[in-house]
Amino acid sequence: SQTIHQWPATLVQPVGSPLSLECTVEGTSNPNLYWYRQAAGRGLQLLFYSVGIGQISSEVPQNLSASRPQDRQFILSSKKLLLSDSGFYLCAWSDSLTEAFFGQGTRLTVV
Amino acid sequence: AQSVAQPEDQVNVAEGNPLTVKCTYSVSGNPYLFWYVQYPNRGLQFLLKYITGDNLVKGSYGFEAEFNKSQTSFHLKKPSALVSDSALYFCAVRDRYNFNKFYFGSGTKLNVKP
Repeated sequence: SQTIHQWPATLVQPVGSPLSLECTVEGTSNPNLYWYRQAAGRGLQLLFYSVGIGQISSEVPQNLSASRPQDRQFILSSKKLLLSDSGFYLCAWSDSLTEAFFGQGTRLTVV
Repeated sequence: AQSVAQPEDQVNVAEGNPLTVKCTYSVSGNPYLFWYVQYPNRGLQFLLKYITGDNLVKGSYGFEAEFNKSQTSFHLKKPSALVSDSALYFCAVRDRYNFNKFYFGSGTKLNVKP
C-alpha cells in the first residue's frame, strides 16, 4: 500500500534562516506531488505541484521554492524565512485517477 | 475555473442528531468531488468521492454525500452524529482539465455536543 511521510512534525525557526521540509511517498511510482499551506487552521492554499522529476509548477509567487530531485521526493525550501511564512504545511500525492492523500503536516513557526 | 464553496464556517449539532455539511461547486463539465476531514494538527483524511454513477456516495465512518447536478451541490451527511465527529471538514474538486490540481473549500468546523 502507499504511504506518505512528511517531516519534521514541528519546527521553530528564526526570521532570516533557511528552510527545508521533506516529503516522500512509498508504494507508487510517478505520483503527482503537492505542497499546500494552511493558515490559522482553515483553508488550504496550493503552493506547488509536480508531475515528474524536476517539473515544478508554482501557484503563488512567494518566498518559497520546491524541488523534486527523485520520483517520490518533494522538498519545500526557503533561503530566508519571513514571519509570514508561519503556518501548517501539508504534502500530498495523487495519481491521475484518485483522490489526494496527505501527510501529517509540519507546523512551522517563524520567530 | 474550478471551485467549491462551503457556505458555513461552523455547524453545531447535538449528538445523535443527523448532520449536514454543505458544499456547492462550480466546474466545467462533470466534476470529480471529494470530502476530507481534518483533526487538530493532523493532515487531511479522505472520506469519500464522487466520480460518476450513483448520486448517493457512501464513505468512511458512516458518512455519505449526495451529488445534485441541478443544484450543483455535494453535501456531506451522517444520520447520527458522534462527539468524535467534531473536526474540520473540507470539500474539494479535481480540475478535469488539469488533473494535477485539487481545489479545496474554506472548510467547515463541525461541533457535535453531547
